[in-house]
Amino acid sequence: DSGVTQTPKHLITATGQRVTLRCSPRSGDLSVYWYQQSLDQGLQFLIHYYNGEERAKGNILERFSAQQFPDLHSELNLSSLELGDSALYFCASSVGGTGYQSPLHFGNGTRLTVT
Amino acid sequence: DAKTTQPPSMDCAEGRAANLPCNHSTISGNEYVYWYRQIHSQGPQYIIHGLKNNETNEMASLIITEDRKSSTLILPHATLRDTAVYYCIVRATKNRDDKIIFGKGTRLHILP
Repeated sequence: DSGVTQTPKHLITATGQRVTLRCSPRSGDLSVYWYQQSLDQGLQFLIHYYNGEERAKGNILERFSAQQFPDLHSELNLSSLELGDSALYFCASSVGGTGYQSPLHFGNGTRLTVT
Repeated sequence: DAKTTQPPSMDCAEGRAANLPCNHSTISGNEYVYWYRQIHSQGPQYIIHGLKNNETNEMASLIITEDRKSSTLILPHATLRDTAVYYCIVRATKNRDDKIIFGKGTRLHILP
């Protein structure tokens, strides 16, 4: 158990809808990362937050947005969903901080199916 | 784009050492080498990381060449449970804007 909790585990929704994926980082971790993994594809970096502040963006679509709240949990919002958004979405956390090397610890992901 | 190159797949006999290579010829002086693995569709699991010295933990050993342009992850006694995709990544020491990019990794098959 990595200590990172993602909810829900599975989500099935229709095209055009909006969903919110939630991530609770490990206790004490200030950094949260979001990744997308489509079928048989690699992990695509979406976004990184540190202590509530956005720090880095990857190939995140404009229809997607994220936040990290004061209690450090994070949410990934996906809107105007398309069939191609069907994927596993992983959240990872680390202690974070400039100059501090800490591994990422991943949750078990949310499997999103868009029909 | 990923800064590392790995073979797409490898086989290893159960009980033998699995040696997974990674090329990171453009690595900078402040970048660490990290290894993760992903078993089926589970979340990736951290294995080990290092800067320039060889490292060992309960899971694996990491050998980094003197010029730091390549490394090898060693699983000393591979078991069937080690079948997974193994990712080698490089990551700067200053994690301020931490874009951790995963490549395609190496799919390791442990053969009984």
